[in-house]
Amino acid sequence: AQSVTQPDIHITVSEGASLELRCNYSYGATPYLFWYVQSPGQGLQLLLKYFSGDTLVQGIKGFEAEFKRSQSSFNLRKPSVHWSDAAEYFCPVEAAGNKLTFGGGTRVLVKP
Amino acid sequence: NAGVTQTPKFRVLKTGQSMTLLCAQDMNHEYMYWYRQDPGMGLRLIHYSVGEGTTAKGEVPDGYNVSRLKKQNFLLGLESAAPSQTSVYFCASSDPGGAETQYFGPGTRLLVL
Repeated sequence: AQSVTQPDIHITVSEGASLELRCNYSYGATPYLFWYVQSPGQGLQLLLKYFSGDTLVQGIKGFEAEFKRSQSSFNLRKPSVHWSDAAEYFCPVEAAGNKLTFGGGTRVLVKP
Repeated sequence: NAGVTQTPKFRVLKTGQSMTLLCAQDMNHEYMYWYRQDPGMGLRLIHYSVGEGTTAKGEVPDGYNVSRLKKQNFLLGLESAAPSQTSVYFCASSDPGGAETQYFGPGTRLLVL
């Protein structure tokens, strides 16, 4: 069965600093991987996804993620964080039938 | 387009009461999903539907029932609510096929006393 681990429960970063969120997955086949963001009190919004091809994926809001098969990782990065990036981030993996398996999420706090 | 909407936004129930959560989408998506979100556990799939009139169990289906009588609506029912069902419930919809984006509603916060 597939699984996702997000090792960092909380991350605090200063505004303007870089951000990297870690995501490790376990899946038998080539995975479909996603990053979603959840702002406080809101639903989830897709940032980016990987399904094939180039392992460096560009998303919305200046985010990018790199798929590394050898490390079973799909880490999310942003070079300069804005206060509006304070949110919770999830990196689900897709199993057959469009079903997503989520990790526990990483909450990002942005210091002024 | 409203996208995915959920009704109600917040509800308090007593143990043993029943209720139905309504999800509606206006994107003509075939697939719809119900998740619950609990602290530290991310989202877990309760039930899903791959088309009108069809439903299937997800990861945590016990205590819930669903129906998809119309393509645009997906209902989640709690027949006899328990405190363990206190959670935030999210509905989502997508097109069929691999790596399709799921579009999420704003959530329903449920408290069972």
